[in-house]
Amino acid sequence: DAGVTQSPTHLIKTRGQQVTLRCSPKSGHDTVSWYQQALGQGPQFIFQYYEEEERQRGNFPDRFSGHQFPNYSSELNVNALLLGDSALYLCASSSLTGGRPQHFGDGTRLSIL
Amino acid sequence: GESVGLHLPTLSVQEGDNSIINCAYSNSASDYFIWYKQESGKGPQFIIDIRSNMDKRQGQRVTVLLNKTVKHLSLQIAATQPGDSAVYFCAEIPISNFGNEKLTFGTGTRLTIIP
Repeated sequence: DAGVTQSPTHLIKTRGQQVTLRCSPKSGHDTVSWYQQALGQGPQFIFQYYEEEERQRGNFPDRFSGHQFPNYSSELNVNALLLGDSALYLCASSSLTGGRPQHFGDGTRLSIL
Repeated sequence: GESVGLHLPTLSVQEGDNSIINCAYSNSASDYFIWYKQESGKGPQFIIDIRSNMDKRQGQRVTVLLNKTVKHLSLQIAATQPGDSAVYFCAEIPISNFGNEKLTFGTGTRLTIIP
């Protein structure tokens, strides 16, 4: 039973560029959440997708957007990258009707030069 | 705003001893609490959870205690092993977010097991 998978594992971009990160949820899960984890900090909630819609959003600017596909996989897009966007981006999946908890992938390490 | 915090940023424990990691939360409306373990280069791994209608829950070598009166959560790890070395996070879901699963994390405690 595959867990949450994320790609790529590492990514290096420069300021002003755009990036797309991908996530496949754990089998049987229909809800995907994205988190940003700065070095030495706990993960911060970005947004959550269910039924291909953004259901809840954290305190992140509109430069952060996402999408969920019919197969429940998801993408996180970040435009106009800033140095402060350097972080580990984590995807978590859960089943809205099947109970908690959220299961996390190993993340994408994004470095902005 | 509401937040989840931790008392100690680092903890060193002798292998074989028991460890206790503490967490304070400020949102009295919190419904559900989770402990995650994060090893270097990995994502958070679920350890154990507890709902607000419980005081204690046990798993394999781990016990979570919830004191709603003082809004305190603790994770006890029995007979620690080298593989227990990691950063431990507590996270909460406020009852207002039921079904939306927005986790609020603390900063984390780094547990080091001394051989």
